[in-house]
Amino acid sequence: DSGVTQTPKHLITATGQRVTLRCSPRSGDLSVYWYQQSLDQGLQFLIQYYNGEERAKGNILERFSAQQFPDLHSELNLSSLELGDSALYFCASSAQGAENTIYFGEGSWLTVV
Amino acid sequence: AQSVTQLDSHVSVSEGTPVLLRCNYSSSYSPSLFWYVQHPNKGLQLLLKYTSAATLVKGINGFEAEFKKSETSFHLTKPSAHMSDAAEYFCVVNNAGNMLTFGGGTRLMVKP
Repeated sequence: DSGVTQTPKHLITATGQRVTLRCSPRSGDLSVYWYQQSLDQGLQFLIQYYNGEERAKGNILERFSAQQFPDLHSELNLSSLELGDSALYFCASSAQGAENTIYFGEGSWLTVV
Repeated sequence: AQSVTQLDSHVSVSEGTPVLLRCNYSSSYSPSLFWYVQHPNKGLQLLLKYTSAATLVKGINGFEAEFKKSETSFHLTKPSAHMSDAAEYFCVVNNAGNMLTFGGGTRLMVKP
């Protein structure tokens, strides 16, 4: 158990809908990351937050947004969903410092039908 | 920019035989390198990491990896495969600011 908690574990929704994925980082970790794992793109970095502030952006679509709250949990919002958004979305967290290990949650499986 | 290439998309070994999963990286500076494992329908678990200390890194479950700067390689090895090692393995480089770049993954199959 990495200590990173993600909900829901599985989600099925229709095209055009909006969903929110939730992540609780390990206790004390200030950094939260979101990654997308799909069959055609592999594992891709989406976005990073540090103590509530956006720190880095990767290949995140404009239809997607994220935020980190004062209690350090994070949410990834996916809107106007398309079939191609079906993927496993990972949240990860790390302590302060660039060399610290990044710990991953078990992911949220999103299926868009 | 950093990049990672896993040279084999699939590796098949017999139980009890050695495992070698190959990884090459490119980086403009001394990187931090990791191996993560993903079992079916599970999250990513850290196997080991290299952060410019000893070049031979020991990880969990008997895995180890050797950082070779001259060859820009970070291959993962295990002396004797177990059935429970069957999974997907990812070689990962840590870019500045903890942005991870993942290799394409190697699926390890272990035959009885």
